[in-house]
Amino acid sequence: GDSVTQMEGPVTLSEEAFLTINCTYTATGYPSLFWYVQYPGEGLQLLLKATKADDKGSNKGFEATYRKETTSFHLEKGSVQVSDSAVYFCALSHQGAQKLVFGQGTRLTINP
Amino acid sequence: GAGVSQSPSNKVTEKGKDVELRCDPISGHTALYWYRQSLGQGLEFLIYFQGNSAPDKSGLPSDRFSAERTGGSVSTLTIQRTQQEDSAVYLCASSFDGTGVYEQYFGPGTRLTVT
Repeated sequence: GDSVTQMEGPVTLSEEAFLTINCTYTATGYPSLFWYVQYPGEGLQLLLKATKADDKGSNKGFEATYRKETTSFHLEKGSVQVSDSAVYFCALSHQGAQKLVFGQGTRLTINP
Repeated sequence: GAGVSQSPSNKVTEKGKDVELRCDPISGHTALYWYRQSLGQGLEFLIYFQGNSAPDKSGLPSDRFSAERTGGSVSTLTIQRTQQEDSAVYLCASSFDGTGVYEQYFGPGTRLTVT
């Protein structure tokens, strides 16, 4: 079945550092790929998405590119802020299958 | 407008008791999803509703779990004879439809603790 694997956390960085959170997936066909974020005390929010190969999703300075050849969707940000501290989830879904399949989540802490 | 709401926000129950968790989706959203977030299993899909019917119940872990949706709106997830392994945060999400094209909006969750 479909699965998503994220890099192990927790990840701790200093403010203005470069961020990469790795995500790879196993799925048949051409799933849509997502990054969701869960800020402390809040619900899950969609951060960005990509629906086909080579698409780049971007939002709030974060980017991720759908790489079918490496089955990856790594999350990057050039300069993180303290306010980016949260848990990040990579996920996939198939059109017509509706449900989201999530990775295990990566807790990110940014120190000032 | 209002987002997805869930109640209660926290529920503590004794092993063996039944519990009901409620989800109010965003008005006009025809698709509704239940997920479970637990330490051991991460975020897992439980069930998907399109309108009042549930075409995908594949994630329900046992026959102690059931869910219904009425009037194409409110949904209730019921867990009978709760066990300690049922302790988790239960998340509800809704989307405009179930095609996968539209974003799923998540509620704040119900934290269930079974003692």
